Amino acid sequence: EADIYQTPRYLVIGTGKKITLECSQTMGHDKMYWYQQDPGMELHLIHYSYGVNSTEKGDLSSESTVSRIRTEHFPLTLESARPSHTSQYLCASSGVRGSYEQYFGPGTRLTVT
Amino acid sequence: GQNIDQPTEMTATEGAIVQINCTYQTSGFNGLFWYQQHAGEAPTFLSYNVLDGLEEKGRFSSFLSRSKGYSYLLLKELQMKDSASYLCAVDRSGGYNKLIFGAGTRLAVHP
Repeated sequence: EADIYQTPRYLVIGTGKKITLECSQTMGHDKMYWYQQDPGMELHLIHYSYGVNSTEKGDLSSESTVSRIRTEHFPLTLESARPSHTSQYLCASSGVRGSYEQYFGPGTRLTVT
Repeated sequence: GQNIDQPTEMTATEGAIVQINCTYQTSGFNGLFWYQQHAGEAPTFLSYNVLDGLEEKGRFSSFLSRSKGYSYLLLKELQMKDSASYLCAVDRSGGYNKLIFGAGTRLAVHP
């Protein structure tokens, strides 16, 4: 079983609030990812990191930002939440040499009212 | 552009065999993944193909043809618990695991 955690699992918040979605992994993986997924739709990569102090934007434009100060921690922040940010956010990690699979966290379902 | 195409839905009977196809057109290719995702849950890894041919892992097998931009996932001896979405994803990034996903195929297994 993969050791990757996300909190909160569910979040309902009002427009304009600042939120941080937490993601942590205990596998020592160097690569970490954030995906956005709407119901019944494909996962879209919004941010990724290849190691500490490395962050890049993904394929889907997002108003969120990320940081990678520690190997195990990859939080995502929205400075001012809007209803268009309502979605599921999935964090993943990979990176053990010779292993290509990404391990996914349980996700955070965000609703902005 | 870049796209990955899969059928939206499939149905099958418990104990049967089902094949889920995936075609892709991407700017780079460094391997193709299949993931399983149950409703409301996170995706879990099923298989990885980087060379042409068939990879077998228990009841699941995955095939890749790079020249045709084509893969399939074969599920044998279907069980009710196999009802889920199956996601095809391509790594375009030379080993950095930067994946582009298809929309997934929702498989319903009936008794």
